[in-house]
Amino acid sequence: EPEVTQTPSHQVTQMGQEVILRCVPISNHLYFYWYRQILGQKVEFLVSFYNNEISEKSEIFDDQFSVERPDGSNFTLKIRSTKLEDSAMYFCASRGDYGYTFGSGTRLTVV
Amino acid sequence: GEDVEQSLFLSVREGDSSVINCTYTDSSSTYLYWYKQEPGAGLQLLTYIFSNMDMKQDQRLTVLLNKKDKHLSLRIADTQTGDSAIYFCAGQWGSQGNLIFGKGTKLSVKP
Repeated sequence: EPEVTQTPSHQVTQMGQEVILRCVPISNHLYFYWYRQILGQKVEFLVSFYNNEISEKSEIFDDQFSVERPDGSNFTLKIRSTKLEDSAMYFCASRGDYGYTFGSGTRLTVV
Repeated sequence: GEDVEQSLFLSVREGDSSVINCTYTDSSSTYLYWYKQEPGAGLQLLTYIFSNMDMKQDQRLTVLLNKKDKHLSLRIADTQTGDSAIYFCAGQWGSQGNLIFGKGTKLSVKP
């Protein structure tokens, strides 16, 4: 069964550093998403991406965040200067005809 | 805006049925989903229901949708210890179909 693959599974970074979270969506899906889950809280929508551009973003997705599809397979989330409150599980998802498929997440810890 | 609410905890005995409930605010959702999250893991799609359906059954899982009351439930028959997890209800709204998640219901299954 096709999967969404996320790397790394865990990332620890110092406050102020840049991080790039990577995702390989399902190959024939056209819509891509990033969500995050702060420990013990709801899964929150960050951004959606379609046709090589952002189609929608939430209030959380400020200027510190960016997304990119640098080639035909990868979909990345960059946090330019991490803050302690960016510590969360970040989920990538892609959507096809039969709904969403989520990756297993990247746990980001900012220290 | 759209919101999804769930009770936070449910405890059942092995072999009993579990019923996890969810309410939502906006009746114009297109799809409603149930996801399972085991400790430290990603979001596993369990089942989904179109908003024009009232019920969907898939092996031990039964989803009931009451559009009038904006209420969704997930029934797990013959609950097993392996069913212990957090269960998220999510609705799909908006032109790009972003998911709005509930806070999740932690299901504990006692032997």
